[in-house]
Amino acid sequence: EAQVTQNPRYLITVTGKKLTVTCSQNMNHEYMSWYRQDPGLGLRQIYYSMNVEVTDKGDVPEGYKVSRKEKRNFPLILESPSPNQTSLYFCASSLYAPPDTQYFGPGTRLTVL
Amino acid sequence: DAKTTQPPSMDCAEGRAANLPCNHSTISGNEYVYWYRQIHSQGPQYIIHGLKNNETNEMASLIITEDRKSSTLILPHATLRDTAVYYCIQISGGYQKVTFGIGTKLQVIP
Repeated sequence: EAQVTQNPRYLITVTGKKLTVTCSQNMNHEYMSWYRQDPGLGLRQIYYSMNVEVTDKGDVPEGYKVSRKEKRNFPLILESPSPNQTSLYFCASSLYAPPDTQYFGPGTRLTVL
Repeated sequence: DAKTTQPPSMDCAEGRAANLPCNHSTISGNEYVYWYRQIHSQGPQYIIHGLKNNETNEMASLIITEDRKSSTLILPHATLRDTAVYYCIQISGGYQKVTFGIGTKLQVIP
């Protein structure tokens, strides 16, 4: 089944403890992206990647890192999480860069205490 | 940033057509209009997109005005499962960022 998977789905952590949220797609898509969603602010793009080893900042990249060493994986790294990074995170992929249709993962709900 | 405006919320009676408007007055010639929806806190789901012409698929119809400054997403026979937040976004080819707004919360009423 064609899909985007994220792990973990739920995570509660403490300030400063490094964490990684994984994202994987099995559709051989070139473009991948991370979003965060907060009440009243909609979906905001954190980082995106046009292809392997090509990443760039979205609208809210501060406090996050990403890497794209393989085409199928696009992990989101929080080196030192803070409470303001408590949010719902979505990974998405598309065959090519926008405006191509994006397919979203199920989301990761992160709470930073 | 390219930006669309949508009403924050709408109601629709079950079985009736739901017409969701979107203004994209700054849209340029190479920008597409895309619609996604998000049910509860699930990942957004693609619905339909268009450039100039009206479009229809198994989920919905998209009507784009001749000047392309606004569009309407039509769900022909709304069901309770169509209750969701609907996002209208404009995206240009070659512009790699994607900007979602806060969307329209559609409540389908029995």
